[in-house]
Amino acid sequence: EPEVTQTPSHQVTQMGQEVILRCVPISNHLYFYWYRQILGQKVEFLVSFYNNEISEKSEIFDDQFSVERPDGSNFTLKIRSTKLEDSAMYFCASSFGMSNQPQHFGDGTRLSIL
Amino acid sequence: GDSVTQMEGPVTLSEEAFLTINCTYTATGYPSLFWYVQYPGEGLQLLLKATKADDKGSNKGFEATYRKETTSFHLEKGSVQVSDSAVYFCALRDGGATNKLIFGTGTLLAVQP
Repeated sequence: EPEVTQTPSHQVTQMGQEVILRCVPISNHLYFYWYRQILGQKVEFLVSFYNNEISEKSEIFDDQFSVERPDGSNFTLKIRSTKLEDSAMYFCASSFGMSNQPQHFGDGTRLSIL
Repeated sequence: GDSVTQMEGPVTLSEEAFLTINCTYTATGYPSLFWYVQYPGEGLQLLLKATKADDKGSNKGFEATYRKETTSFHLEKGSVQVSDSAVYFCALRDGGATNKLIFGTGTLLAVQP
């Protein structure tokens, strides 16, 4: 069964550094998402992406965050200048469509900011 | 705004016991409802879904019925196994233009042999 893959599984970064989290969505999916889960808290929506542009973003997704689909397979989340509170598990997801189409998640990248 | 409330965990059961994990929601539109499961060290996997009132989602012995009158989507399984030990997340996606999932806090299930 096709799956969403994320790399790396764990990223440790110094505060203030830039970090890029990578995702390969399922190949025929058209919608891409990032969510995050701070330890002990809910899974929170960050951003959705369709047709090479952001279709929706949460208030968490401020100017420090950006997303890109640099080629036909990868989908990346960049955090420009990391803060301690960015430490979380980041999940990438993809879906074929909207409405009732389920979102398929990767295993996540654990981001630790020191 | 839209929200999902799940029962607090952890839930500890013996093998073959009956499982219920409560989930209620608040939504302005006509949401689709989902249960996701996260096994240790893995990502979120879709367990089941229901897209309209009175729909029953089912998978791997788990069931949940979309109850509009009580705004609930409780997860049930008749006989749990040790391999069902995981964190279970209830989620909704509101109808309309938004595509984001709104999750509950997750409920840790521990099944003992």
